[in-house]
Amino acid sequence: AQSVSQHNHHVILSEAASLELGCNYSYGGTVNLFWYVQYPGQHLQLLLKYFSGDPLVKGIKGFEAEFIKSKFSFNLRKPSVQWSDTAEYFCAVNPRMDSSYKLIFGSGTRLLVRP
Amino acid sequence: NAGVTQTPKFQVLKTGQSMTLQCAQDMNHNSMYWYRQDPGMGLRLIYYSASEGTTDKGEVPNGYNVSRLNKREFSLRLESAAPSQTSVYFCASRAGGEGQPQHFGDGTRLSIL
Repeated sequence: AQSVSQHNHHVILSEAASLELGCNYSYGGTVNLFWYVQYPGQHLQLLLKYFSGDPLVKGIKGFEAEFIKSKFSFNLRKPSVQWSDTAEYFCAVNPRMDSSYKLIFGSGTRLLVRP
Repeated sequence: NAGVTQTPKFQVLKTGQSMTLQCAQDMNHNSMYWYRQDPGMGLRLIYYSASEGTTDKGEVPNGYNVSRLNKREFSLRLESAAPSQTSVYFCASRAGGEGQPQHFGDGTRLSIL
């Protein structure tokens, strides 16, 4: 079965530290990839997406992610985090062959940024 | 522009009661989805509707039914609520075309006692 793994369930950083959140998926075909963020008490918001072209994609709020096909990975990065980045981050995958475009989510990573 | 609107935001039910969660989108999207979010498990797909008039099961459909009332509205019904259905429920919609993201509502926090 297709699955998405986010290895870090909880991450604690100080402001200005660099961030990298891992995401790996298990699917041999072509995929669309997404990172969503959920701030406390809010709905999921799209951070960035990849479906073709440059494997390094830039999103909102200074986030970026790199798609490495050979590693089935789509890691999220930010060079310098802020307190306002405290949230839960979800990686999601949509296999291209699935015409329903439903998303398979990872279990999420809770990020706490200390001021 | 409201996007995806879910009602209610909070609900407490007793075991065995029934309830319908409402979802409406104003973006003219074809596809709509219902997910449940549980701690440490991410979001899991309950049902989806690829287009008006069609519905299909997702990963965890047991205990739920859905209705795609029209292009805008997609409701989720719990016929006989169970404590295991205590969760946060999110509705999402998506425009057609490759690479389009899903847009999520604010969620319904449902507790079943």
